Amino acid sequence: QQQVKQSPQSLIVQKGGIPIINCAYENTAFDYFPWYQQFPGKGPALLIAIRPDVSEKKEGRFTISFNKSAKQFSLHIMDSQPGDSATYFCAASTGRRALTFGSGTRLQVQP
Amino acid sequence: EAQVTQNPRYLITVTGKKLTVTCSQNMNHEYMSWYRQDPGLGLRQIYYSMNVEVTDKGDVPEGYKVSRKEKRNFPLILESPSPNQTSLYFCASSKAGTGGGEQYFGPGTRLTVT
Repeated sequence: QQQVKQSPQSLIVQKGGIPIINCAYENTAFDYFPWYQQFPGKGPALLIAIRPDVSEKKEGRFTISFNKSAKQFSLHIMDSQPGDSATYFCAASTGRRALTFGSGTRLQVQP
Repeated sequence: EAQVTQNPRYLITVTGKKLTVTCSQNMNHEYMSWYRQDPGLGLRQIYYSMNVEVTDKGDVPEGYKVSRKEKRNFPLILESPSPNQTSLYFCASSKAGTGGGEQYFGPGTRLTVT
């Protein structure tokens, strides 16, 4: 049973576009929602994270939007660049358990 | 440099031949974990350890063993590998003893079982 559902599986945008990746969760006990970025041949690395007491968090060109009532959160990448081409994973956890990951989104930003 | 290292990075083996993938971290983290990554399934946790001599099953533990005799090392053991264990494996560590918070991942081990 997949507790964190991620969409789309793949995404192609032009340079400067704003790709949006969505995740939905089922477990209302989740209290930490990170996004990980993975480049080919590398391990995932933490990109940005949010806790459910805020509805939005920005770090540079990356923004998480969080909707607690809908149990959904999304990643927006402003002014996307070819260097942002990677696989993105959403995840969720409670304070007492390990991360549950979404299935991943492969993003390609075309020049 | 703070890092998680895994060895080997690539491994091709045959069904039934025991193998060990090593993982080591130099950040003095209590929590360590093993994941496998398969297309369309994301990362699934195999085993985790909250501290030395404390290990527990994750979501997909069948066919794997782990041990945590030292804080920095967390090897993954496949005693009788099968083709369905062909996958990309990642070790991770976290300062948070429960595994929540930021996890630091190793570079991955690509395993092929024929």
